[in-house]
Amino acid sequence: AQSVTQLDSHVSVSEGTPVLLRCNYSSSYSPSLFWYVQHPNKGLQLLLKYTSAATLVKGINGFEAEFKKSETSFHLTKPSAHMSDAAEYFCVVSDRTGNQFYFGTGTSLTVIP
Amino acid sequence: GAVVSQHPSRVICKSGTSVKIECRSLDFQATTMFWYRQFPKQSLMLMATSNEGSKATYEQGVEKDKFLINHASLTLSTLTVTSAHPEDSSFYICSARLQPGLREETQYFGPGTRLLVL
Repeated sequence: AQSVTQLDSHVSVSEGTPVLLRCNYSSSYSPSLFWYVQHPNKGLQLLLKYTSAATLVKGINGFEAEFKKSETSFHLTKPSAHMSDAAEYFCVVSDRTGNQFYFGTGTSLTVIP
Repeated sequence: GAVVSQHPSRVICKSGTSVKIECRSLDFQATTMFWYRQFPKQSLMLMATSNEGSKATYEQGVEKDKFLINHASLTLSTLTVTSAHPEDSSFYICSARLQPGLREETQYFGPGTRLLVL
C-alpha cells in the first residue's frame, strides 16, 4: 500500500529564510511523488513531481524536492521564503495506475515579515 | 495548458434541495476525472473516479445515490448532491488527468466549489 506522512502540520519561517517541508513515503514499488500547494479557498496547484527520472526535481516558484530512496523521503525546499508562499502544502504519492492519489495531511506554511 | 474549471465557485442552498457542480477541462480531453471532498483544515478525500461514458467508481463509504456523477463528454463531469443536508457542506474539488494507464500522469485540479447547506 502507498502512503505519505507529512511530519509537520505547521511550519513558520521568516521572509527571506529557507523553507523545509518534510515528507516521507511508503510504497511497495518505485513511486511517483508530487507536491501541491493550496492557497485559502483555492484548488490545488502542482509545484513539482518526481517520476523516476532525476532525483532532484525543480518546480515552480523556486521550489525543489529531492527523492531519497534510502530515506524514503521527498522533502520540499526553497532557499528564500516569500510572503506569497504562505499556504497549505500537500505531499502526494500515486498508485501504480496513477488513478489513486494518496494525500498527506498537509503542512501549513506561515511566512513572517 | 491543463486548466480545469469548476462552476459554481460557491453555492448556498436550502436543506433538501439538489445542487449540481460542473467540472470542465478547458484545453485538454480528460478520459478520467476525480471528485474530492475537503473538510476545513483537513486533507482531500477521494469520493469517486469518473470515466467518460461509463459509471463512476465510488470510494468506500460514499453514497452513490446521494452523490450522482455524470461524465458525459471528454471535457465535462458533473457532481450532483441530491437532497442536500447541512452535513454535506464542504469544499468539493475535481481533478482531471490526460491519459489513462500512466501512473506518472499528473492530476490537474479545479479551483473548488464551496457548498453551504442551510
